[in-house]
Amino acid sequence: GQNIDQPTEMTATEGAIVQINCTYQTSGFNGLFWYQQHAGEAPTFLSYNVLDGLEEKGRFSSFLSRSKGYSYLLLKELQMKDSASYLCAVRGYGNNRLAFGKGNQVVVIP
Amino acid sequence: DVKVTQSSRYLVKRTGEKVFLECVQDMDHENMFWYRQDPGLGLRLIYFSYDVKMKEKGDIPEGYSVSREKKERFSLILESASTNQTSMYLCASSLQGSKNIQYFGAGTRLSVL
Repeated sequence: GQNIDQPTEMTATEGAIVQINCTYQTSGFNGLFWYQQHAGEAPTFLSYNVLDGLEEKGRFSSFLSRSKGYSYLLLKELQMKDSASYLCAVRGYGNNRLAFGKGNQVVVIP
Repeated sequence: DVKVTQSSRYLVKRTGEKVFLECVQDMDHENMFWYRQDPGLGLRLIYFSYDVKMKEKGDIPEGYSVSREKKERFSLILESASTNQTSMYLCASSLQGSKNIQYFGAGTRLSVL
């Protein structure tokens, strides 16, 4: 089975840095994905980690520790448009399915 | 750009009706998925397909069926809609390969009255 855990909501100020955590317990691991979802819209792909370490992509970075079953998404220089839900998803070994966490709602305030 | 298109953004149906939700992707992806998304429960996989005429149950297949007659199209069928199937339905597709990133459609918000 798969268990993906994320905090539910956080508020941060424009221009700040926010870290969104994700812990997982899965039977096999073959990659971790982060998606962004604005209210009423489709999830859009942000990042992918399969090896330990940090992947940086502009203002967004994602970190993975497979031994700890832990990932985080770092959002820098927060903008109002970053207000969204951030979904963590894990792919098990040998299949194409993703198990999603419930998402973390980030609210950016001026 | 990958495009995943769902036929309706909003649907209102009555209990007992047969409902078809259509999804089309234009990137020749092998894999297609149907999820439902409910507040507090996140995205849950209903069915998925790796190839034409092939389907596999996800985590919550009860009350649903699917059809994949062509590679680009994956249909979700509610044989007899019930009020507990009121939800946001999201279709996704992915290319078979190392990353296997799933790309989502805009979603269909279904209300069953």
